[in-house]
Amino acid sequence: AQSVTQLGSHVSVSEGALVLLRCNYSSSVPPYLFWYVQYPNQGLQLLLKYTSAATLVKGINGFEAEFKKSETSFHLTKPSAHMSDAAEYFCAVSPPYSSASKIIFGSGTRLSIRP
Amino acid sequence: NAGVTQTPKFRVLKTGQSMTLLCAQDMNHEYMYWYRQDPGMGLRLIHYSVGEGTTAKGEVPDGYNVSRLKKQNFLLGLESAAPSQTSVYFCASSYSQEVGEKLFFGSGTQLSVL
Repeated sequence: AQSVTQLGSHVSVSEGALVLLRCNYSSSVPPYLFWYVQYPNQGLQLLLKYTSAATLVKGINGFEAEFKKSETSFHLTKPSAHMSDAAEYFCAVSPPYSSASKIIFGSGTRLSIRP
Repeated sequence: NAGVTQTPKFRVLKTGQSMTLLCAQDMNHEYMYWYRQDPGMGLRLIHYSVGEGTTAKGEVPDGYNVSRLKKQNFLLGLESAAPSQTSVYFCASSYSQEVGEKLFFGSGTQLSVL
């Protein structure tokens, strides 16, 4: 069985500061990993995904995430936070080469940006 | 380009009432999904469809029924609503069922059952 844990339900950073959202996974096989973002009153949008190619994955809006097998982590980072980054972020995991119906979502981390 | 459209956006029901949530996509996607989002629990898959006329159970299917009579529409029904079904419901679609395929989400329906 697979699972994903997001550490911290709420993270607050100052505008211009580093954004770090933590995600750890549990999987018996090398997984596929995803980060989705949900802006207020909108549905989820895919930020980036890891599907067993390069371990450092770059996504939209300046975000990136690094797959670390030894730490079973897939943390999301952005060097400099912008007010528009305020949203809820979901980490997700799935077995490789399976169907999208097998994706397991984390409980989410709400990111707030202080002026 | 509308993408995935959900109606209604908000609804309040009394226990025992029934209702249908409509999801429509204009991207000619084969695969469609219904999720519920509860505080502290992330998204959980209710039912999904791999094509017109097909449906399958997800992680939390009890108390819900679905239908996919047309490729572009995926309906989620609650026959007898319960307070435990108070949640935000999201519909999603994808071009293929491959797990790496991007999911396109609607903006959600906030349902309260009193």
